[in-house]
Amino acid sequence: DAGVIQSPRHEVTEMGQEVTLRCKPISGHDYLFWYRQTMMRGLELLIYFNNNVPIDDSGMPEDRFSAKMPNASFSTLKIQPSEPRDSAVYFCASTKTPIEAFFGQGTRLTVV
Amino acid sequence: GEDVEQSLFLSVREGDSSVINCTYTDSSSTYLYWYKQEPGAGLQLLTYIFSNMDMKQDQRLTVLLNKKDKHLSLRIADTQTGDSAIYFCAERANDYKLSFGAGTTVTVRA
Repeated sequence: DAGVIQSPRHEVTEMGQEVTLRCKPISGHDYLFWYRQTMMRGLELLIYFNNNVPIDDSGMPEDRFSAKMPNASFSTLKIQPSEPRDSAVYFCASTKTPIEAFFGQGTRLTVV
Repeated sequence: GEDVEQSLFLSVREGDSSVINCTYTDSSSTYLYWYKQEPGAGLQLLTYIFSNMDMKQDQRLTVLLNKKDKHLSLRIADTQTGDSAIYFCAERANDYKLSFGAGTTVTVRA
């Protein structure tokens, strides 16, 4: 398996634009997580899914953020409208056991 | 995360041992983890320990857990330049959520 695949690796966008980050989990993993990493706040869990259903979205910062998982092999994290303070590295991770989560390479988002 | 604390920086000479410390607050933590992040990469699981264990050794890595003091440490023996990275401590309670520390940047000098 190629691991967790995220796209794009880098995204630069203007304030106010919509941004969509994508994730393909490892096949057979039924848990998917979205994390955000910043210098100020470290790694924060935004939302996680089990069997494509959102289980806990308490970490989603505000209504501008939304996440979907239309099927077992694809998830999106959307920010609309984007703001400079959304600049961060966004990681997707997946797992099928509670022991280990496998992380993607991340998407570095810069909002100017 | 505010529930997991670790020192931010560690500088170590090549060949010496590195010790990275972490404290956590959730007494219901079932698993505690050490992840490694190299520049521009995602997080890679190094090792983990179940909360009913005191120690776990895996090649050059030794994890010590003091559950009474809620203290976790990672010792890397014979530290190499390839060990330079950010190391994250994380805890997990009874759900699938991981709470991470801020990360310790380890710099290995020749």
